[in-house]
Amino acid sequence: QKEVEQNSGPLSVPEGAIASLNCTYSDRGSQSFFWYRQYSGKSPELIMSIYSNGDKEDGRFTAQLNKASQYVSLLIRDSQPSDSATYLCAVKPQGAQKLVFGQGTRLTINP
Amino acid sequence: GAGVSQSPSNKVTEKGKDVELRCDPISGHTALYWYRQRLGQGLEFLIYFQGNSAPDKSGLPSDRFSAERTGESVSTLTIQRTQQEDSAVYLCASSLRNSGANVLTFGAGSRLTVL
Repeated sequence: QKEVEQNSGPLSVPEGAIASLNCTYSDRGSQSFFWYRQYSGKSPELIMSIYSNGDKEDGRFTAQLNKASQYVSLLIRDSQPSDSATYLCAVKPQGAQKLVFGQGTRLTINP
Repeated sequence: GAGVSQSPSNKVTEKGKDVELRCDPISGHTALYWYRQRLGQGLEFLIYFQGNSAPDKSGLPSDRFSAERTGESVSTLTIQRTQQEDSAVYLCASSLRNSGANVLTFGAGSRLTVL
C-alpha cells in the first residue's frame, strides 16, 4: 500500500462546476496535510493546508479532512480553465519532517 | 533571496558521467529538501537537511547519490556514474526551521537527461 494514494485521473470537469479531488493516506498518526498545484512544466505551489478534522475554506477552494477514515479532499468551486493542472496531495507522517506526496491527479476544466 | 533558486535548469549528460545540482534556499529557511520527479509521476523524497546536518536521507536511491549543505545555505546534490533511470526533474524545497506546518516552497527544478 502506498503511503499517499490519489486517483491519477485525468479528471475532466466543465467550467463553472465543482471539481472534487480525493486522497487517502496510510499513517494514522499523520497530523499535517497539504494540497499543491503543479502546472505542466512548473514546480508545485502550495494552495491549501489543513491540520484538523473538518472543512477549511479559502476562496474557491475547500479542503476536507477526516482522520478517522484517513482521507483528505479538495473541492474547487466555480472551476475555471486556469485551474487545469495536476493536484498533489502531501502528508507529513508522524515523527517525520519530510512530506510524502501522492502521484497527483491531473485535472482538466473544459470551457 | 526571494525564492528557491536551482541550477542548472537543464542538464544533458552521458551515461556514466557525474553531475552536480545546486540549490540556494530562501534566506532564513533552515530546512531544505530534495525531491525527484520522473515524467508523469509524483514527487519522490530524497533527503532532508536541518541546517547542515541530514537527519533523514532515507530516500537516496543508491550510493551513487549524495548531498551536502554548507551551513544553512546552499546545497549540492551529486549523482555519480549517472544512469538513464536517473533522468528526472530534481526539485529542491525549503521551509522555516520550526515550522510544524512544513510549508515547503519549491524551486523551479533541475531537469536531468541522461543519454
